[in-house]
Amino acid sequence: NAGVTQTPKFQVLKTGQSMTLQCAQDMNHEYMSWYRQDPGMGLRLIHYSVGAGITDQGEVPNGYNVSRSTTEDFPLRLLSAAPSQTSVYFCASRGGSDTQYFGPGTRLTVL
Amino acid sequence: SQKIEQNSEALNIQEGKTATLTCNYTNYSPAYLQWYRQDPGRGPVFLLLIRENEKEKRKERLKVTFDTTLKQSLFHITASQPADSATYLCARGGGGSQGNLIFGKGTKLSVKP
Repeated sequence: NAGVTQTPKFQVLKTGQSMTLQCAQDMNHEYMSWYRQDPGMGLRLIHYSVGAGITDQGEVPNGYNVSRSTTEDFPLRLLSAAPSQTSVYFCASRGGSDTQYFGPGTRLTVL
Repeated sequence: SQKIEQNSEALNIQEGKTATLTCNYTNYSPAYLQWYRQDPGRGPVFLLLIRENEKEKRKERLKVTFDTTLKQSLFHITASQPADSATYLCARGGGGSQGNLIFGKGTKLSVKP
C-alpha cells in the first residue's frame, strides 16, 4: 500500500493563479480531509469529506474548493492564490479506527 | 469553542531520561485524544489513541494518560533516545462534525546524547 500520496511536493505560484493539489489514498477510507500547517498555528482543517460526493467545510475553508468524485481521490483547488495561502498542506484519510493517516505534504509559496 | 493547548513549545532532555509532554483541553471531554509524531518536512504519524473511559495506555516505551478532572493528557517517552527528537502533536476528536480532529500546536522534543 502506498497509503496517502500528495502531488506536487513543492509549488510556487503568483498571486491570482489557480492550481489543484492532488491527494489519493489506496486504503479504501471513506473519510478524507485537508489541513494547512503554519508556524505557530498548528494544523487547521480546511475541508473534509465523509464519502464520494459528500464534502463539507472545516475551520478555514475560504479560498479553497474541494470535490470527491471517487473514494480514492480528494483534490484541493485554490481558485485565486493569495500570499496568505502560503503554507504546508497535508491531506489525510481515516478508516474505522479513528486513526488518521497523513500524506507527505505540499509546500506552497504564493508570491 | 473547543481548544487543545500544548503549553510547551519545546522540551530539551538528556538521553535515557523520561520525557513528559502535556496536553490540555477546554470545555467538555472529548471521546478520545490522539498523539502524533511529526518529523521535519514530513506528515504527522499516528502514535497512540486514548479514549475518555481509559486512564492509561502503553505502547513499547510510550505511555499516555487521560485525566478528565484536570482536563489533561500526559504523554511519556521512557528511556528517551536522540531518535525520539521530533515534534509531538496532541489532537482531540470524537465530538460532532464527523469526528474531525482539533490539533494542538505541538511540542518540539530534543533528546541530547
